Amino acid sequence: QSALTQPASVSGSPGQSITISCTGSSSDVGGQNYVSWYQQHPGKAPQLMIYDVSNRPSGVSNRFSGSKSGNTASLTISGLQSEDEADYYCSSYTTSSTHVVFGGGTKLTVL
Amino acid sequence: QVQLQESGPGLVKPSQTLSLTCTVSGDSISSGVHYWSWIRQHPEKGLEWIGYIYYSGFTYYNPSLRSRVTISVDTSKNQFFLKLTSVTAADTALYYCARRGGIGWSFDYWGQGTLVTVSS
Repeated sequence: QSALTQPASVSGSPGQSITISCTGSSSDVGGQNYVSWYQQHPGKAPQLMIYDVSNRPSGVSNRFSGSKSGNTASLTISGLQSEDEADYYCSSYTTSSTHVVFGGGTKLTVL
Repeated sequence: QVQLQESGPGLVKPSQTLSLTCTVSGDSISSGVHYWSWIRQHPEKGLEWIGYIYYSGFTYYNPSLRSRVTISVDTSKNQFFLKLTSVTAADTALYYCARRGGIGWSFDYWGQGTLVTVSS
């Protein structure tokens, strides 16, 4: 069982917006501003999409945005496109001895 | 362009030691800016952080694997390494090496991953 909780799947139609949640605790998501989001296409390595809750690395579309409220972080993808169909993982620094925890992943389907 | 490339045996027998190498190009491990990590992904499952190393040799491991894991570095070859002892079928996974930013806890560059199967 993953330390961070994500919905197993979400879906949306092209052009729509979707939000993926990532729920943790005060030891990780709620107490730290080190939440990251990764996109993983089948057979590919994860790609960093959001770091430090809401920052986008260079080259990542501004259709991707991140936020946090309490112990829950969120990834929002606006203007859904077919190429956004992938698995998405959140991660966070944690004050526990584990240091880094991941969510179980969310499969995004673009209808 | 930063690139990381994992290499090593794809098949390891139970109770033996899994050994992998990550070769870094486009960045210097000895620059001291980043931390260098190993992360694994079990089939059809999520990600698990294994540990990281700094250029100085300082390491930190996931407590769940600490008794079996060693990460080391060779700055002259710009490589770092993973050893996991006493493997079982539960260690069958896709193993990634990744770069962690010096500030923050995101992994901005990943290798393509190497599948290691534990089987007799």
